[in-house]
Amino acid sequence: ELKVEQNPLFLSMQEGKNYTIYCNYSTTSDRLYWYRQDPGKSLESLFVLLSNGAVKQEGRLMASLDTKARLSTLHITAAVHDLSATYFCAVSTTSGTYKYIFGTGTRLKVLA
Amino acid sequence: GAVVSQHPSRVICKSGTSVKIECRSLDFQATTMFWYRQFPKQSLMLMATSNEGSKATYEQGVEKDKFLINHASLTLSTLTVTSAHPEDSSFYICSARVRVTGELFFGEGSRLTVL
Repeated sequence: ELKVEQNPLFLSMQEGKNYTIYCNYSTTSDRLYWYRQDPGKSLESLFVLLSNGAVKQEGRLMASLDTKARLSTLHITAAVHDLSATYFCAVSTTSGTYKYIFGTGTRLKVLA
Repeated sequence: GAVVSQHPSRVICKSGTSVKIECRSLDFQATTMFWYRQFPKQSLMLMATSNEGSKATYEQGVEKDKFLINHASLTLSTLTVTSAHPEDSSFYICSARVRVTGELFFGEGSRLTVL
């Protein structure tokens, strides 16, 4: 059974600081995704990581993927208040039918 | 990015009634759509995978007779919560898979409150 775990579950940080969110998954997967969710809203796609060593950056967020370690990271650089949200990683599996399993989520709060 | 439209965004109903939620992919054809349920401050729980023209595949523990899913066309999937109970109150989110990239795009979500 494919399991996806994130840590930390909750993160409170000061503006201007850097931090990393970790996403571990239990079995091989072909793709890893990062999403953002604001309170009461649906999910917004941030990154799609397709291969080992993939790195993508958008603004203050950078995501990377290590398929051998089954680990993805979402790095936050010089956090700002607008980044406060819940971040989910998700992994897709192609065994049988496509299925996307979500991590536990990381609630990020950036303090001004 | 691709657009997925879901409605209604909010619905309040009485116990025992049925509620239908629609999920449409507006600018692409989605052969596969997924329905998730999310409780407050929790992650998304996959309920079922909806494939166009065939029966939905339900996850373990999800009652197929209670949560009816129909994927009648390449752009529309519906979730009907039948004989709703207060414990069915939740945030339901649909998503559609883009075939080429495998990326998932999400609808706006539907908040169901059963009185």
